[in-house]
Amino acid sequence: KQEVTQIPAALSVPEGENLVLNCSFTDSAIYNLQWFRQDPGKGLTSLLLIQSSQREQTSGRLNASLDKSSGRSTLYIAASQPGDSATYLCAPRNNNDMRFGAGTRLTVKP
Amino acid sequence: GAVVSQHPSWVICKSGTSVKIECRSLDFQATTMFWYRQFPKQSLMLMATSNEGSKATYEQGVEKDKFLINHASLTLSTLTVTSAHPEDSSFYICSARSGGSYNEQFFGPGTRLTVL
Repeated sequence: KQEVTQIPAALSVPEGENLVLNCSFTDSAIYNLQWFRQDPGKGLTSLLLIQSSQREQTSGRLNASLDKSSGRSTLYIAASQPGDSATYLCAPRNNNDMRFGAGTRLTVKP
Repeated sequence: GAVVSQHPSWVICKSGTSVKIECRSLDFQATTMFWYRQFPKQSLMLMATSNEGSKATYEQGVEKDKFLINHASLTLSTLTVTSAHPEDSSFYICSARSGGSYNEQFFGPGTRLTVL
């Protein structure tokens, strides 16, 4: 069974900083991996989807990388803003299901 | 991206009653649907996976007689929590995907269930 670990569990930074969120997973036989953000009490917003054959994906200030063989993915957020404050979830997909990490709770202070 | 809706967005019920939650894919055909639950400050835990027209596959530890899942069409799946108890109070999130495992999975906004 896939186990997903996200480090750090929580992160507080001043506005404008660049930051990296880490995700590791135990089963590298994945189809793809998605990064999501979740605001308190809300559902998930998909940020980036990386296929197993890809090394990275970019969307605006976000860049996600994938090292499938070592079971790692990182989410890089450039020039962080208070509106980026949320919980960020990493979810690799194996076969027919997707497993989630516990998330990194990010707070960006003005 | 594609849109998945859930109804209701929140529900409060008395212990012992049954509650039905609907999940709809609004602009695509969802060949596979997933149900997750999330306790406060914890991550999403997969409860079951269903393919249209087939019985759901439940994760270990999830009671299939308590959490009834019906995926009767390519745009609708329902989760019925039978004889709900306070420990069933949680945030339930559905997800849908069209086609194979390489395709993106889209998530609904969630349903907050509170059992008194």
